[in-house]
Amino acid sequence: QITLKESGPTLVKPTQTLTLTCTFSGFSLSTSGMGVGWIRQPPGKALEWLALIYWNDDKPYSPSLKSRLTITKDTSKNQVVLQMTNMDPQDTATYFCVHLAKYLGNTFDVWGQGTMVTVS
Amino acid sequence: QSALTQPASVSGSPGQSLTISCTGTNSDIGWYNYVSWYQQLPGKAPKYIIYEVSNRPSGVSDRFSGSKSDNTASLTISGLQAGDEADYYCCSYTRNATLVFGSGTTVTV
Repeated sequence: QITLKESGPTLVKPTQTLTLTCTFSGFSLSTSGMGVGWIRQPPGKALEWLALIYWNDDKPYSPSLKSRLTITKDTSKNQVVLQMTNMDPQDTATYFCVHLAKYLGNTFDVWGQGTMVTVS
Repeated sequence: QSALTQPASVSGSPGQSLTISCTGTNSDIGWYNYVSWYQQLPGKAPKYIIYEVSNRPSGVSDRFSGSKSDNTASLTISGLQAGDEADYYCCSYTRNATLVFGSGTTVTV
């Protein structure tokens, strides 16, 4: 059974860098076809895909946020870390960590519970 | 990349069918059959209900079905139930190896 859990600060100040950690279990990010990503959702708004990291270390980013994002993995710890620089109040959102299955047509098949981050 | 276009809201009566459209471009929806749909119940994380345009994962009701024509994907919910009230999002893999979500649709029964 795959599970993912997000951790990080609930409150950050404008211009600071946000660091979120996703700790997962039930799969290895060194296994072919596996990926872990981040998706966010501002209060009352739509989902927005941010970044992915694959088993082979490919790292696609959202074109609109690419300059501010860095995603890394620590396979030995089963963790993925997302950093977002220069935080703004408009970045206030719930941030979800997700498992991506390439064998399901690049579908986000398992989601973490999400962590709410407020920028103020 | 711009968000895929979905109607903001759709409604139907119990037992009826309704369809949610998701319009993109030939660089995302029209590029390949990597379209997925997600259901988000109030206060919950989203859950995938359709993958690769029209496939249902085990455990998802066969009242949910997906299709695609050119640059538009669709999700149909038949035999509407009160428990189907939720927000629904489409998502597509793109030609640039990125992903893009739809703008979301609120379903009211």
